Amino acid sequence: ILNVEQSPQSLHVQEGDSTNFTCSFPSSNFYALHWYRWETAKSPEALFVMTLNGDEKKKGRISATLNTKEGYSYLYIKGSQPEDSATYLCAGPSGGTSYGKLTFGQGTILTVHP
Amino acid sequence: EPEVTQTPSHQVTQMGQEVILRCVPISNHLYFYWYRQILGQKVEFLVSFYNNEISEKSEIFDDQFSVERPDGSNFTLKIRSTKLEDSAMYFCASNTDRDYGYTFGSGTRLTVV
Repeated sequence: ILNVEQSPQSLHVQEGDSTNFTCSFPSSNFYALHWYRWETAKSPEALFVMTLNGDEKKKGRISATLNTKEGYSYLYIKGSQPEDSATYLCAGPSGGTSYGKLTFGQGTILTVHP
Repeated sequence: EPEVTQTPSHQVTQMGQEVILRCVPISNHLYFYWYRQILGQKVEFLVSFYNNEISEKSEIFDDQFSVERPDGSNFTLKIRSTKLEDSAMYFCASNTDRDYGYTFGSGTRLTVV
């Protein structure tokens, strides 16, 4: 059974601060790691799908790294803005492939104060 | 940008009643999913659907649940006899390629009273 854990559970930062949070997963039988941003009253939005150890992906001010050997991924936000306030979810497929059933972490709730 | 649409956004139903949650996935997507989040808990997988049949389902997805894609556009989740513990936000999702992230709908909040 895949167990995906995220930390911290919540985070409050000031506008302009850079921040990062962690997603941990079992390093054995790794297939892929998804990151989603979920704003209140909206649908979760895919940020990254990472598959290779050492992967680093970037989308604007948001970037993510992946370490499959030690079982973690970091999500970084540079120069946080109030519109970055959201719940950030990571998830991994647990069906023995890189797709299909995703097991989600509990999310990190980010609040960026103006 | 194409969206996954879900209706209704909120449904209140009496325990024991049947509910149908509706989703219109993105038209060229091939893989379809239902997930739910009970308040305060993790988002959890219910079922995946590909090539007009269920490809995987979770332990939650018992005989009370069913899915259909009746007309090639709508993708529905039916709960035959709702229980209080079925109260949750239900999300539909789809994707076109196995290595891409999912596109989620904005969810249906189901409240069973």
